[in-house]
Amino acid sequence: NAGVTQTPKFQVLKTGQSMTLQCAQDMNHEYMSWYRQDPGMGLRLIHYSVGAGITDQGEVPNGYNVSRSTTEDFPLRLLSAAPSQTSVYFCASSLGGGYTFGSGTRLTVV
Amino acid sequence: SQQGEEDPQALSIQEGENATMNCSYKTSINNLQWYRQNSGRGLVHLILIRSNEREKHSGRLRVTLDTSKKSSSLLITASRAADTASYFCATVPLIQGAQKLVFGQGTRLTINP
Repeated sequence: NAGVTQTPKFQVLKTGQSMTLQCAQDMNHEYMSWYRQDPGMGLRLIHYSVGAGITDQGEVPNGYNVSRSTTEDFPLRLLSAAPSQTSVYFCASSLGGGYTFGSGTRLTVV
Repeated sequence: SQQGEEDPQALSIQEGENATMNCSYKTSINNLQWYRQNSGRGLVHLILIRSNEREKHSGRLRVTLDTSKKSSSLLITASRAADTASYFCATVPLIQGAQKLVFGQGTRLTINP
C-alpha cells in the first residue's frame, strides 16, 4: 500500500495562475479531506468528502474547488492563485477512525 | 474558527520525564484524536478516543477525555528525544453524517537529552 500520495511536493505559482493539487489513496477509504497549514498554526479544513460524488466545504473553502469522481482521487483546484494561498497543503483519508495523511505539498504564490 | 485549543503552546522537558498536553474543545463530539507531526513532515495518527470512553492507552501514551469539561489530555511517559515533535488534538463533531476532523493549534514538545 502506498497510503496517501500527494503531488507535486513543491510548487511555485504566479498570482492569478491556476493549478490542481493531486491526492490519491489506495486504501479504499470513504472519507477524504484537504487541509492547509500556515506557519505556527494548526491545520484548517478546506474541503472534505464522505464518498465518491459527495463533497462539502470546511472552514476556509474560498478560492478552492474539489471534486470526487472516484473513491481513490480527491484533487484540489486553485482557481486563481493569490499570495494568501501560500501554505503547506495536506490531503488525508479515513475509513471512519484515524486519518492517514499525505506528506504535503508546499505551495508558494508570488 | 478552530475547534480546539491546546495548552501549553510549547513544552520543553528533560529526557525521561513525563510530558502532559491538554486540549479543550467547544462543541459536542463523536470522538477526539491525537496526532504527531515531526518538523517538515505529515501528521501521524496516535490515538482515538470515543465520546463514551474516559481513558485510553497505547504504549507510552495515555489519553483521557472529560466530555463534561470538553477537555482531553495526552500523557507521554518516559519521554525520549525522538518524541520531539508537534502534537495536535482534533475532534470529529457529533453531527450525523459529518466526518470532518477539526484541529487545534498544537503543542510543540521538545525533549532535551
